[in-house]
Amino acid sequence: DAKTTQPPSMDCAEGRAANLPCNHSTISGNEYVYWYRQIHSQGPQYIIHGLKNNETNEMASLIITEDRKSSTLILPHATLRDTAVYYCIVRVDRGSTLGRLYFGRGTQLTVWP
Amino acid sequence: KAGVTQTPRYLIKTRGQQVTLSCSPISGHRSVSWYQQTPGQGLQFLFEYFSETQRNKGNFPGRFSGRQFSNSRSEMNVSTLELGDSALYLCASSVRGYEQYFGPGTRLTVT
Repeated sequence: DAKTTQPPSMDCAEGRAANLPCNHSTISGNEYVYWYRQIHSQGPQYIIHGLKNNETNEMASLIITEDRKSSTLILPHATLRDTAVYYCIVRVDRGSTLGRLYFGRGTQLTVWP
Repeated sequence: KAGVTQTPRYLIKTRGQQVTLSCSPISGHRSVSWYQQTPGQGLQFLFEYFSETQRNKGNFPGRFSGRQFSNSRSEMNVSTLELGDSALYLCASSVRGYEQYFGPGTRLTVT
C-alpha cells in the first residue's frame, strides 16, 4: 500500500523551481523515500532517493525533514519537459521488498511557458 | 548503455486468448519487475524475478504468470484474457531491486 500523501496537481512557471511535497507521517526508521516520474505514455523514470540526509543529483534535490515525516522534491529550473506525474514512494530496502514499488496517484506537475 | 526494451509495443487480442510479453533488461541487471497500469487502478505491481526466481508477487490472479531466463530476460504470460486486462504493461530492471529503470511498456488491448 502507498503510505504517502501528495497533492493531486501543481503548476510551475518554466525556469522557476518546482517544489513537490510528500507526506509520509508513518515512515519507519529503515524506510527510504524514492521519487519517480512518468511522462505521459512513457514508463516511469527514477529520479532520486534518500534515507534521512538531503540528496542531490543532476536531476533534482531531495529534502527530508528532520523527523522524516515529509519530504520535498526540488526541480531547480523546471522546463516544459518536466511536465509529468511525480510519485513519492517509501519502502524498506531489503530482500523481501526489493524490486517492488507501491505507486500512489502521484502529483501531476504542469510546467507552463 | 541500452535501456530496457519491451516487445511488442502494441498488441490487440480477443477475450479468452493468451498473450506473452517480453522484457529485455539493462545489461548487468538481474532483477526484473512487472507492473500493470490502468486508468482506474494506476500502477500495480505484478511480480519480480531475481536470478530466475520469483522473489515477490502482487495480488493478481493465477492467470498472470512470468519467468526469467538465465540471461535475465523475462516474459510474462496472461492466459484466458478478459476485457479488464487491457492495460499498459511495464517492466523495470535493476541491479538487485533498488533503483528501477522502466521500459516503454506494452499496450495490450483486449476486445
